[in-house]
Amino acid sequence: QQQVKQSPQSLIVQKGGIPIINCAYENTAFDYFPWYQQFPGKGPALLIAIRPDVSEKKEGRFTISFNKSAKQFSLHIMDSQPGDSATYFCAALLLFGGYQKVTFGTGTKLQVIP
Amino acid sequence: DAGITQSPRHKVTETGTPVTLRCHQTENHRYMYWYRQDPGHGLRLIHYSYGVKDTDKGEVSDGYSVSRSKTEDFLLTLESATSSQTSVYFCAIRAAGVEEKLFFGSGTQLSVL
Repeated sequence: QQQVKQSPQSLIVQKGGIPIINCAYENTAFDYFPWYQQFPGKGPALLIAIRPDVSEKKEGRFTISFNKSAKQFSLHIMDSQPGDSATYFCAALLLFGGYQKVTFGTGTKLQVIP
Repeated sequence: DAGITQSPRHKVTETGTPVTLRCHQTENHRYMYWYRQDPGHGLRLIHYSYGVKDTDKGEVSDGYSVSRSKTEDFLLTLESATSSQTSVYFCAIRAAGVEEKLFFGSGTQLSVL
């Protein structure tokens, strides 16, 4: 019920390509679906988040597509750059008053080659 | 970085020894979390705190304890370290008014030999 399944495990694209990372969930009670970006030696940082009543959200070159009926969501990176090379984690978040319970996917290591 | 400092950044220890990791924050946030990160598992919640002396278990709490005697410090203790606790440990906070976001520290790489 609480799992978030993420694919692929790794991804290599050329500069300018559009990498797509997919996630699936089971629990329909989740309140938010965030994506985190992590560079080596650093902690994850929030990239973009979407609520389940929205089908798409864009922030700069990053877009989340959300399919509520299929219980799936994905991250698209437009015009990818070598600086986007990082590990990306999808997540699903439940709010309990002030506490948030976050379930993370297993991560996708993205490499963007020049 | 929401004023989060983790210490130490790296530690090597032997099986059976106690280890304490520290998370310090400077912005008076109420909610603090400890996660571990392992290949193939993503990030998994160990313990969290919702105030001074108020803590609760996460999904992988066995072998770990926590304490929060001051708002700014959240300590994670491995009472008797095992090799399975070799991992990268991250502290995180939830800022007031930003319900969808966790701010993470830079992590502690712990190796138990």
